Amino acid sequence: DTGVSQDPRHKITKRGQNVTFRCDPISEHNRLYWYRQTLGQGPEFLTYFQNEAQLEKSRLLSDRFSAERPKGSFSTLEIQRTEQGDSAMYLCASSPFGSEAFFGQGTRLTVV
Amino acid sequence: QQQVKQSPQSLIVQKGGISIINCAYENTAFDYFPWYQQFPGKGPALLIAIRPDVSEKKEGRFTISFNKSAKQFSLHIMDSQPGDSATYFCAASKEGFKTIFGAGTRLFVKA
Repeated sequence: DTGVSQDPRHKITKRGQNVTFRCDPISEHNRLYWYRQTLGQGPEFLTYFQNEAQLEKSRLLSDRFSAERPKGSFSTLEIQRTEQGDSAMYLCASSPFGSEAFFGQGTRLTVV
Repeated sequence: QQQVKQSPQSLIVQKGGISIINCAYENTAFDYFPWYQQFPGKGPALLIAIRPDVSEKKEGRFTISFNKSAKQFSLHIMDSQPGDSATYFCAASKEGFKTIFGAGTRLFVKA
């Protein structure tokens, strides 16, 4: 499967714990995006990488959130001190320059 | 960032009928307008997309109509099938960057 891969698919964590998600984009896609989707809503932009450089962060991305894309390949999204409001589907997408984004299956986070 | 407004929220169509979903955007800098289809528990999948220099694009049973002056675009699904039952999102972006999504339309096609 050469699509966007996300791991884990599901994560249940206790409030206050840290979680980390991984995204493996389609190879040779230099753009990588993280989105958050809550039930009944469209995906909301969180952050964007062009190769290894993080070029934009949404105001939705509080200080508890950090994303990295070392060497311009896979990316990780870490949430520190999780809150119940962080419960959502976290989607990763990748694209070649100037083209449509291809989404992964997402990681569903439940904070209890 | 409600830059893309989508309607209706939900839609029920008989098998074989036409499903129509409408979207309006605000930012005239947008130059790429994709539609995504999402099934429960899956990520959104690109269905069809259009650029503003074209007024209509058709791919199989799916057609996008685009009205640049009104800043509106719509998705038409001809001969709707039960397998089309999903959530559909319109979206907009500039050069494919930072796609902004509508709130989604839940389509149910009755057999």
